[in-house]
Amino acid sequence: GEDVEQSLFLSVREGDSSVINCTYTDSSSTYLYWYKQEPGAGLQLLTYIFSNMDMKQDQRLTVLLNKKDKHLSLRIADTQTGDSAIYFCAESMEYNTDKLIFGTGTRLQVFP
Amino acid sequence: DTEVTQTPKHLVMGMTNKKSLKCEQHMGHRAMYWYKQKAKKPPELMFVYSYEKLSINESVPSRFSPECPNSSLLNLHLHALQPEDSALYLCASSQGDSGLAYEQYFGPGTRLTVT
Repeated sequence: GEDVEQSLFLSVREGDSSVINCTYTDSSSTYLYWYKQEPGAGLQLLTYIFSNMDMKQDQRLTVLLNKKDKHLSLRIADTQTGDSAIYFCAESMEYNTDKLIFGTGTRLQVFP
Repeated sequence: DTEVTQTPKHLVMGMTNKKSLKCEQHMGHRAMYWYKQKAKKPPELMFVYSYEKLSINESVPSRFSPECPNSSLLNLHLHALQPEDSALYLCASSQGDSGLAYEQYFGPGTRLTVT
C-alpha cells in the first residue's frame, strides 16, 4: 500500500541545520520529492531525487535516500527564518507516474 | 518560467451557486492536475488531465466537474457544493514524459469557502 509518514513538527535555531525525515512503504517509487508550503500559499518544489540515487545536493539542501529502509531525509544547512514553513515529501510510482503520494507534512519553525 | 496561475484567489459561494476555478500554465506542460487541500493536511489528488484528456479521476463527487479547453488551461466547475468542500484548491502541471522527471509545479491556490 501507499503510506508516507513524517514527524509533525521540528523547531530549530537560526543558523543551525534542520533535518526533516520521511518514511514510505511502497518500494516501487521512481522519484521522491520535497515541497515547501508557506502559510496560505501553494507548494513550491524544492528538489527531487531519482530512486536509484543515494544523495543529491543543491546549495543548502541535501537529500539522502536509503532505499533499503525506505527512508528519505532533507537537510537544510544554515537554516533561516524564511525557511519556516510546512515541508512535504512525496513519491511517484513506477506504475502511475502522474500520481504523487504526499507525506503528512512537517512544520518547521525557525527561531532567532 | 515555472509559473502556474490560478483565479480567483479567494471565493465564497452558497450551496446553490455555480462557480468555476481557473488555472493556466504556459510552460508547454502536457499534464495538469487539481488537488484539494484541507487545513493542516497534505494535498489530495482530484483529477489529472494528460494531453487534454482526463486520465485520472480519484472518485470525486459529480458536483466537481473538470474541463480542459486546451493544453494551457484547466477549469474546475463547481455546483451544489457542501460546506465540507471548503478548502484550498490547488492546480499543478508537469512536463513528465518517458524518461523525464515528473516534478509538478503548483499554483498559489484558490481558497474556497462554501456557506
